[in-house]
Amino acid sequence: GNSVTQMEGPVTLSEEAFLTINCTYTATGYPSLFWYVQYPGEGLQLLLKATKADDKGSNKGFEATYRKETTSFHLEKGSVQVSDSAVYFCALSPGAGSYQLTFGKGTKLSVIP
Amino acid sequence: DAGITQSPRHKVTETGTPVTLRCHQTENHRYMYWYRQDPGHGLRLIHYSYGVKDTDKGEVSDGYSVSRSKTEDFLLTLESATSSQTSVYFCAISESQDRGYEQYFGPGTRLTVT
Repeated sequence: GNSVTQMEGPVTLSEEAFLTINCTYTATGYPSLFWYVQYPGEGLQLLLKATKADDKGSNKGFEATYRKETTSFHLEKGSVQVSDSAVYFCALSPGAGSYQLTFGKGTKLSVIP
Repeated sequence: DAGITQSPRHKVTETGTPVTLRCHQTENHRYMYWYRQDPGHGLRLIHYSYGVKDTDKGEVSDGYSVSRSKTEDFLLTLESATSSQTSVYFCAISESQDRGYEQYFGPGTRLTVT
């Protein structure tokens, strides 16, 4: 079956530090990959996505590259801000004919001034 | 922001009582989903709908039922609530099931079963 594994949190960083949140996946075929972000008390928002190998998704300074050879989709940001404090979820969609997004368990990020 | 509302936003209920949560969308999207979010589990799919009156089970459907009589509304019912159903419930919508189409999430309903 499909699965997503992301690094356990919580992660605490100082402002302007470099962020990496690891995500690896198991899936048949060619899934699409997503990063969602959840701010305190809110629902999930799409942060970025990639639909094929070697695609790079980017948004708000965050980036992730779809690496089929390592089945990974690591999230990175060069300089985090306090406002980036949130829970980050990696997810995959197997594609046509499948209705289910499979999520990782989430990584809580806290950025301190 | 995608037009998705959930009601109620918070609810406390007693074990054994029926509970219905409502998801309403203004995007006219065909696909709708109910998830629950629990610490250490991420989000898990309860039920989904691929059209009016067309629904199917997800990963954790036991104890839940759904109905969709209109495109814009998707109801989740707990027939007899149990403490294990204390959770945060999220509704989501998507335009397509094709790969690359993301899901948009509502603000969530926090349900406590005492």
